[in-house]
Amino acid sequence: SQQGEEDPQALSIQEGENATMNCSYKTSINNLQWYRQNSGRGLVHLILIRSNEREKHSGRLRVTLDTSKKSSSLLITASRAADTASYFCATEAGGTSYGKLTFGQGTILTVHP
Amino acid sequence: NAGVTQTPKFQVLKTGQSMTLQCAQDMNHEYMSWYRQDPGMGLRLIHYSVGAGITDQGEVPNGYNVSRSTTEDFPLRLLSAAPSQTSVYFCASSYGRGGEIYEQYFGPGTRLTVT
Repeated sequence: SQQGEEDPQALSIQEGENATMNCSYKTSINNLQWYRQNSGRGLVHLILIRSNEREKHSGRLRVTLDTSKKSSSLLITASRAADTASYFCATEAGGTSYGKLTFGQGTILTVHP
Repeated sequence: NAGVTQTPKFQVLKTGQSMTLQCAQDMNHEYMSWYRQDPGMGLRLIHYSVGAGITDQGEVPNGYNVSRSTTEDFPLRLLSAAPSQTSVYFCASSYGRGGEIYEQYFGPGTRLTVT
């Protein structure tokens, strides 16, 4: 079974609003990564947060990580129509799981102009 | 740099046929992996490699073989295609350091239909 579980499964907002997506996982991790996938395309890496970090920013993206709750959130501020895509979290556990990056099922974000 | 390339982009197979999906990267990444993505689903790991000559199974390895004879190439072989293998296949590569995998670079995908 997949390590990351995301909610909501789908999110529909207006341009200019903020979008928040959540990811929960089951085991300890080295890092957690967020990816974006435009329809029919390959995934693009957005941001990586390591297990010893609590918050990270990149442009309009803000990621938080709570290892005690085994959860992460991705916030996209001032959303644009071009942000419409599927967003996935992926966890890297290391140790005996080295090499296994496991993905959640994703959140489909629709931003209406 | 071309990044991660995959061929073919589209393929239709009949049940029982075999084929190889090609994946190559020019970033000298040690880590490479194959995923499949079914409609409305996330990516599921098929096989991965942490370096030339080293491969291991992921979450859904049955029906697939891999080899890694060079750093650049990581082909995925379907031994005897089944309709359940209809999916989009993505190859990815990344660097690793200190037992940790960092951001992955994805290829454009191969859409496979098995009839």
